[in-house]
Parts: sequence; structure tokens; C-alpha cells
Amino acid sequence: EAEVAQSPRYKITEKSQAVAFWCDPISGHATLYWYRQILGQGPELLVQFQDESVVDDSQLPKDRFSAERLKGVDSTLKIQPAELGDSAMYLCASSLGAGAPHEQYFGPGTRLTVT
Amino acid sequence: GQNIDQPTEMTATEGAIVQINCTYQTSGFNGLFWYQQHAGEAPTFLSYNVLDGLEEKGRFSSFLSRSKGYSYLLLKELQMKDSASYLCAVPPGGSYIPTFGRGTSLIVHP
Repeated sequence: EAEVAQSPRYKITEKSQAVAFWCDPISGHATLYWYRQILGQGPELLVQFQDESVVDDSQLPKDRFSAERLKGVDSTLKIQPAELGDSAMYLCASSLGAGAPHEQYFGPGTRLTVT
Repeated sequence: GQNIDQPTEMTATEGAIVQINCTYQTSGFNGLFWYQQHAGEAPTFLSYNVLDGLEEKGRFSSFLSRSKGYSYLLLKELQMKDSASYLCAVPPGGSYIPTFGRGTSLIVHP
């Protein structure tokens, strides 16, 4: 069964350092999402891509976060510099399309700890 | 904007039935999702309701009332493996991307 891949699974970094996360969506899924989930809360959307284009990044803290999906397949989310409050689970999800509500398939996530 | 409200935590006994409620307010309605998330793992899709009524899928059923802004997830014949967080998610008006509630942590005990 096809799955969304993410790496690394765990990342510990010091504040002010740069960190990057990678996601490979299910083949054929045009839409890719990055979420942040703080312990005890639901996932919060950071950015949505349709193919290689950003559809919604209104909740992305653009002073320190950036995301790209250059060829419309895999994607990278970067934080520079990392802050203590960035400690969270970063989830990547993909879906077939964006023109209607679609089931989202989530990857295993990257758990980030900033010290 | 929108508000999604669901209980923080529930406990139930193995073999029993539990109902997890979700109320929402949204300027438009494009359906309601339920996801299951085990501790430390990614959410997995359970159901999607866009019309009023009950939809059954094995031991899990989901109900929607659009006029009341209300949904519930019904879990029957509870098993220990059902211990997880259950996330209610609603796309805000004009969007198809669900906004997630805080989730309900369900603890199933013997």
C-alpha cells in the first residue's frame, strides 16, 4: 500500500540552528500539505501545494519558515532559525486533488525538539 | 473563521459503546471529517459526512446534523486498540482543507 514518506523521524536541534524536513507524497497525489501539531492539539495547516504551486501559506511564519515543492513531487520544509516554541510534530499529508474535500493521507511525521 | 468543539478526554470499558461529540461553527459547509490518531503516530482517515444522517462503517459510525452544527462518532464493541485521539475536522467556508479540532483522547480500559 502506498504511503507518504517523511524524514527524519526525529530531530533534535539547538535554538538558532537551521533544520529541514523532507516529504515524499503518494505517487499521483497533486496536493501536498505541511501541518504542525503541538502535543494535545490538532494539526494546524502551515502550507498547501497544488503541484509545484503554493495554494495557501497564510499560517506559515514566513520570517523563519520556508517550503518548496520544486518539481511538484517531493517537498522540503525549512526552519531558520529554530526557536524553542517550534518543538512539535511536523506532519506531511497528500491527497488526490484540491477541488473538493478529499481524504488526506498522512506521513509518520517528524518530531522536532528544539533545545 | 470557525470553531470546533469536542471533549478533551473520555474513558470507556472494553466491549462497551462510546459516542464522541463534535460541534462546529462555520460560515460555509463542505463536509466533516473524523480522523483517528494513536499516540505518536499520524492521523488516519475514518469518515467523511456531507449529508445529514448516520453512516456506518463496521464498528464505527458517524452522524451529521448540518442544521445543528453537530456530529458524533460512535464506536461499538470497544477494543483496547481503540485507545487513541479522535479528531473532528471541518473545512472552513470557501475552502476544502479541513481545520482540525483539538481532538478527544479516548482511553479504553479492561
